[in-house]
Amino acid sequence: DSGVTQTPKHLITATGQRVTLRCSPRSGDLSVYWYQQSLDQGLQFLIQYYNGEERAKGNILERFSAQQFPDLHSELNLSSLELGDSALYFCASSETGVGYTFGSGTRLTVV
Amino acid sequence: KNQVEQSPQSLIILEGKNCTLQCNYTVSPFSNLRWYKQDTGRGPVSLTIMTFSENTKSNGRYTATLDADTKQSSLHITASQLSDSASYICVVSRGASTDSWGKFQFGAGTQVVVTP
Repeated sequence: DSGVTQTPKHLITATGQRVTLRCSPRSGDLSVYWYQQSLDQGLQFLIQYYNGEERAKGNILERFSAQQFPDLHSELNLSSLELGDSALYFCASSETGVGYTFGSGTRLTVV
Repeated sequence: KNQVEQSPQSLIILEGKNCTLQCNYTVSPFSNLRWYKQDTGRGPVSLTIMTFSENTKSNGRYTATLDADTKQSSLHITASQLSDSASYICVVSRGASTDSWGKFQFGAGTQVVVTP
């Protein structure tokens, strides 16, 4: 157990639908990062939050959004889902200067 | 241009053999370099982390080296096992004081397949 918790582990939904992925960072970590990993692809940075505020955006689609709550857990919202959104979505948390700790991911399948 | 380049992209090795993965980076200023192992469908797990002053760090059969002058790192796997089949990702952290995504630069990974 890395200390970073992601739910659900698996999600199957239809095109056009909206889903919410949840991440609880490791205790004490203020930063949460979201990554998308499509089949046989590297990790693609989506967005970062630090202590409740958006800190940086990567290759995140306008259909996707995220937020970090006062208790530091984060949610990634994916809407108007397309087949190409099927991927593993990872959350990572960090303590400044130490590096990432990754969650086990949510596997999203859009059918 | 990616600031962290890994090679080879993939490799196949026989069980019991050794192999070495390479990571070259241009990230500056440098803070630390971490190697991750990612099993298929799982989250990456940290293997080693090295700062500027460290040349070698071991974790069981995994040994990482760092040459901060040439900005090169390697990950050596000794006596490979079937369970070593995974993607190995090099991540380099900037020495900046702000905690931003640009602080962590990811390599594309090396896919290792260990065959019986």
